[in-house]
Amino acid sequence: GQNIDQPTEMTATEGAIVQINCTYQTSGFNGLFWYQQHAGEAPTFLSYNVLDGLEEKGRFSSFLSRSKGYSYLLLKELQMKDSASYLCAVRPSPTDKLIFGTGTRLQVFP
Amino acid sequence: ETGVTQTPRHLVMGMTNKKSLKCEQHLGHNAMYWYKQSAKKPLELMFVYSLEERVENNSVPSRFSPECPNSSHLFLHLHTLQPEDSALYLCASSQGVAGGYEQYFGPGTRLTVT
Repeated sequence: GQNIDQPTEMTATEGAIVQINCTYQTSGFNGLFWYQQHAGEAPTFLSYNVLDGLEEKGRFSSFLSRSKGYSYLLLKELQMKDSASYLCAVRPSPTDKLIFGTGTRLQVFP
Repeated sequence: ETGVTQTPRHLVMGMTNKKSLKCEQHLGHNAMYWYKQSAKKPLELMFVYSLEERVENNSVPSRFSPECPNSSHLFLHLHTLQPEDSALYLCASSQGVAGGYEQYFGPGTRLTVT
């Protein structure tokens, strides 16, 4: 079977750094995506990792270790607007559909 | 604004009604998707169309019927739904179905079946 695990909820303080983990057990691996979804809104693309290592995009970075079946999303200098759900998704093969995790709901407090 | 629009944004329907959800993408993409999002569950892929041909159907009940008349438009026709079909229905598009193409999502239709 295909499985993606993420924590259900996290809280953090404005200005802080938070790391959201994602572990996956899938039949193969052909890329991992992170999406952000604010309540009542569409998911929006944040990052894509297919090779091991860190991808940095401004305040957001995403890390991948294929040997460990593990990724994390790192959010720096947290802002209130970062309160949202963060979805991890894996594509097991080039032609497979995306397998989504249940998402991590992040609440940022002042 | 992601370039993918959905109508209606909210829909309440009885179990005997027939309704349709509409999705339109303005991005020139070749692939379109329907997803179902229920509370505390992962996004669940329902249908995938690539160049107007259905390429995936994930054992979705026949009371959901997709239609893709062209690469910019996607419909989901609904009939005799059940209360457990109440969910957020998301449309998405991407340049292709494979590899690293990210998907662009619409705002969703919040469906309530009474």
